[in-house]
Order: sequence, then C-alpha cells, then structure tokens
Amino acid sequence: DAGVTQSPTHLIKTRGQQVTLRCSPKSGHDTVSWYQQALGQGPQFIFQYYEEEERQRGNFPDRFSGHQFPNYSSELNVNALLLGDSALYLCASSSTGGTEKLFFGSGTQLSVL
Amino acid sequence: QKEVEQNSGPLSVPEGAIASLNCTYSDRVSQSFFWYRQYSGKSPELIMSIYSNGDKEDGRFTAQLNKASQYVSLLIRDSQPSDSATYLCAVNRPGTSYDKVIFGPGTSLSVIP
Repeated sequence: DAGVTQSPTHLIKTRGQQVTLRCSPKSGHDTVSWYQQALGQGPQFIFQYYEEEERQRGNFPDRFSGHQFPNYSSELNVNALLLGDSALYLCASSSTGGTEKLFFGSGTQLSVL
Repeated sequence: QKEVEQNSGPLSVPEGAIASLNCTYSDRVSQSFFWYRQYSGKSPELIMSIYSNGDKEDGRFTAQLNKASQYVSLLIRDSQPSDSATYLCAVNRPGTSYDKVIFGPGTSLSVIP
C-alpha cells in the first residue's frame, strides 16, 4: 500500500521564479491538504482540496495556488518566489473528505536564493 | 492569541522518566485533537487522537483532554531515547463548511540515556 508521495524532494529556485510541487495521496484517500513548515516551526495550513475544489484556505497570498486532479493527486504552485518562501512543503492526505488522521508525505524542501 | 499553543522547549528528561507535553487551543468548538511526532528531517506521523474529555491510553502514551479548560496533554511513560523528537499538537478547527487541522509550534523532547 503506497503512502503519500511527494516530488521533488529538494528544489532550489531564485527569487521571482515559479515552482510546482506534486503530491499523490495514500491509496483510498480523496482529500489533500498542503502545509508549509519553516525551520523550527509547526506546519502552517495553506489549503485543502477535495473533489477537485479548494474548500479551505489558510492565511497565504494568492501567489500560492493549487489543483487537484480526478485521480486525487494534487499540485501546489507558488509564483513570484520570495526568500521567505524557503521551507519544507508537506502534503497530507485523508479520507472521505475529512480532515481526521492526516498522513503526511516526506515533503519537498524548497530553497529560494 | 495563537490558535494552538504548546509549552516551550526544549524539554529534557532522563531515560525511564515521564515526559509531559502540554497544549492549549483557542477555538471552543474544536472537537478533535491529535498528537504528531516528528523526527528531525522527517515528516509528522500521527501517534494519538482524542475526542472526548478524559484520558486515552495507548502503550506508553496517554493523551488527556479537558475541553472546559481547552487543554490537551500527552504523557510519555518510561521515556526512551527513541522518543527524542518534536511533538506537535494539532486541533481540528471547524470552518464555515469544512474543517481544517491546525498545528501548534511543537515541543522538542530530548530523552537523555
């Protein structure tokens, strides 16, 4: 049973560039949530996707956008990268459109230079 | 006031001792509470969930919930060096239509052999 998979594992970008991160949820899960975790901090909620729609959003600017595909996989896009966007980006999946018992992927470490 | 707060660390306990981790939350309507463990360089993994007032025990771990005081705690008995990690308190915060899981900043635990 495949768990949550994320790609890439590491990414280095420069200010102003755009980045796309990918996530495949755990088998049987249909809800994907994205989190940003800065070093030494707890994960911060970015947004959540269910049935291909964004249904909850945290306090992140419109530079952060996402998408969910019919197979439940998801992408996180960040435009006009800032140095402060450097962080670990975590994808978490859950089942039945709920937010109970999140299962996390290994994350994508984004460095913005 | 932050939505989820945890006692500041790092917390150091000797091997075999009881480690006590505390968490408070601001939204009274929250109904589901979780403890995640995050090893350095890894993603969070769920170790306990609790939904009703009182204690819930799972092996060496005991979660305690007091909704009136908006307080959640995690006790780790017979602490082992392998318990050294950051412990994240998470709360399922109801939204207008959908819930989202909000994390605290984490408490770093070090178990000294």
